[in-house]
Amino acid sequence: GNSVTQMEGPVTLSEEAFLTINCTYTATGYPSLFWYVQYPGEGLQLLLKATKADDKGSNKGFEATYRKETTSFHLEKGSVQVSDSAVYFCALSERINTGKLIFGQGTTLQVKP
Amino acid sequence: GAVVSQHPSWVICKSGTSVKIECRSLDFQATTMFWYRQFPKQSLMLMATSNEGSKATYEQGVEKDKFLINHASLTLSTLTVTSAHPEDSSFYICSARGRSERERGEQFFGPGTRLTVL
Repeated sequence: GNSVTQMEGPVTLSEEAFLTINCTYTATGYPSLFWYVQYPGEGLQLLLKATKADDKGSNKGFEATYRKETTSFHLEKGSVQVSDSAVYFCALSERINTGKLIFGQGTTLQVKP
Repeated sequence: GAVVSQHPSWVICKSGTSVKIECRSLDFQATTMFWYRQFPKQSLMLMATSNEGSKATYEQGVEKDKFLINHASLTLSTLTVTSAHPEDSSFYICSARGRSERERGEQFFGPGTRLTVL
């Protein structure tokens, strides 16, 4: 079946460091890929998405590129801030219209001043 | 942006009792709502998908008689955990999806409900 695998956390970085959170997937067909963020005490928020191969999703300085050849969707940010501390979830859906999401296990990011 | 609320945010109950959790879309009509369960430091597991006015579709391994889902209107879905036991203790999260082009392909998540069964 379809699945998503994320790098294990927690990831601890100093402010202004470069961030990479790895995400790989297994899927039949052509899934859409998402990154969601969960701040402490809040619900999940969509961070960015990509719907086809080679698409790059970007938002708030974060970006991820849909790589079909490596089945990956790694999240990157050039300079993290303390306010980026949260749990990040990679997810896929088989087709954007179905809306059914399969999540990775989540990666906790802690950014220290 | 689209807002989804859940009530209650946390609940403690005795074993054997039933607990109802509400999920509301506050500023859009949710044609589809999803219910997830999240264990500590683990991922979200989809429990069921509910479309307004029809029966919910449950994922494999989820007991439909245990977790009753009702989606009676375009702004409200409820999850009732019947005869709750300590192993049902978890974080339950709902999400909603609207009809419009802008909303299709994205789910808006509620803040979650922490259930503790004693």
